[in-house]
Amino acid sequence: DQQVKQNSPSLSVQEGRISILNCDYTNSMFDYFLWYKKYPAEGPTFLISISSIKDKNEDGRFTVFLNKSAKHLSLHIVPSQPGDSAVYFCAASAQGAGGTSYGKLTFGQGTILTVHP
Amino acid sequence: DAEITQSPRHKITETGRQVTLACHQTWNHNNMFWYRQDLGHGLRLIHYSYGVQDTNKGEVSDGYSVSRSNTEDLPLTLESAASSQTSVYFCASSEAPGRETQYFGPGTRLLVL
Repeated sequence: DQQVKQNSPSLSVQEGRISILNCDYTNSMFDYFLWYKKYPAEGPTFLISISSIKDKNEDGRFTVFLNKSAKHLSLHIVPSQPGDSAVYFCAASAQGAGGTSYGKLTFGQGTILTVHP
Repeated sequence: DAEITQSPRHKITETGRQVTLACHQTWNHNNMFWYRQDLGHGLRLIHYSYGVQDTNKGEVSDGYSVSRSNTEDLPLTLESAASSQTSVYFCASSEAPGRETQYFGPGTRLLVL
């Protein structure tokens, strides 16, 4: 059972336009969400995160939106640049008992973003 | 600079052989994780450790084992390699519970013939 789903395997956008990557989750215990970017032959690198107590977090060109009622989050990249072309993974974690996070992440399948010059 | 390294970067082995993939981090992180990446599945958790002498099974642990004898290293062993274990393997680490951001190594591409 895939608890974190990225239903779009790929996305193609023009340089300068907005890229929107989507992620859905089913586990209502998830309360912390992250986006990772991965280039070929490299490990994933952390991009941005959001706690469930927020509905938006912004870092430069990257904004993550969380809709808890819909169990949906999205990553907006504005403006998109050719260097943003990579695989983007959504990930989620749940706090353990007593408020202590156990640090385990559940990842989605990934979305390949291609930004054309 | 602190970092996390994996070796070898590429490995070809035969079915039935024992294989060990190394992971070494200098972040002094307590948490360490092993994932495999396969097309259509994203990253799936194999084993993880919250500290020395602690190991736990993840989502896809069958056929794999880990041991944690110090903070810096978490080697992953394939007891008897199978073709289904052909994959790209990533090691990651994070700080003590409460900090979910994981930092990943560059990966090991394993081919089992």
